Amino acid sequence: AQKVTQAQTEISVVEKEDVTLDCVYETRDTTYYLFWYKQPPSGELVFLIRRNSFDEQNEISGRYSWNFQKSTSSFNFTITASQVVDSAVYFCALSDLYMPNAGGTSYGKLTFGQGTILTVHP
Amino acid sequence: DVKVTQSSRYLVKRTGEKVFLECVQDMDHENMFWYRQDPGLGLRLIYFSYDVKMKEKGDIPEGYSVSREKKERFSLILESASTNQTSMYLCASSYRLSGTEAFFGQGTRLTVV
Repeated sequence: AQKVTQAQTEISVVEKEDVTLDCVYETRDTTYYLFWYKQPPSGELVFLIRRNSFDEQNEISGRYSWNFQKSTSSFNFTITASQVVDSAVYFCALSDLYMPNAGGTSYGKLTFGQGTILTVHP
Repeated sequence: DVKVTQSSRYLVKRTGEKVFLECVQDMDHENMFWYRQDPGLGLRLIYFSYDVKMKEKGDIPEGYSVSREKKERFSLILESASTNQTSMYLCASSYRLSGTEAFFGQGTRLTVV
């Protein structure tokens, strides 16, 4: 069974600090996808990034960067020069192949971690 | 814009009531999901559906049922609401293929008194 662990329950930083959110996953599949979602105070989860298991290249998008290491089953998320608007709950998620019946269509079932509450103080 | 709409933002129900939470998506997604969010526990999957009339139990299906009569609509039913079902409920949808991102509704905060 798949499992996602976000060991950091809450993180508090001061604006402009860098912060890394940890994510460790377990799966038996060789093909899977990893995601990060952001949940601002408004409540709606917002997709940030997807990474497939065959692509271990790190990715940078503005102040956000992601480090995927298959050897340690980790997919960590770093925010550089944090801002107050980054305050939110961040979720890591795993999607692997699920086949409800033998020979049938597989589809992605998303399993989430516990979430990390990030608070950025001015 | 992709839209996943949940019928209520806040709901207060009495213990023992039958409760319906409705979710509609406009992206022609095959997959639809119901999650429950509780502090420290993250999002836990209650039920999902990969096609009309098809459903699969998630990790915590006890006390819940679902209905998917039309592709765009996925309903979560609490047969007899209990106080331990007080929670935030999130609906999501995605294309069938593994690896496609899910789109979420705004959530329904249900309080059972």
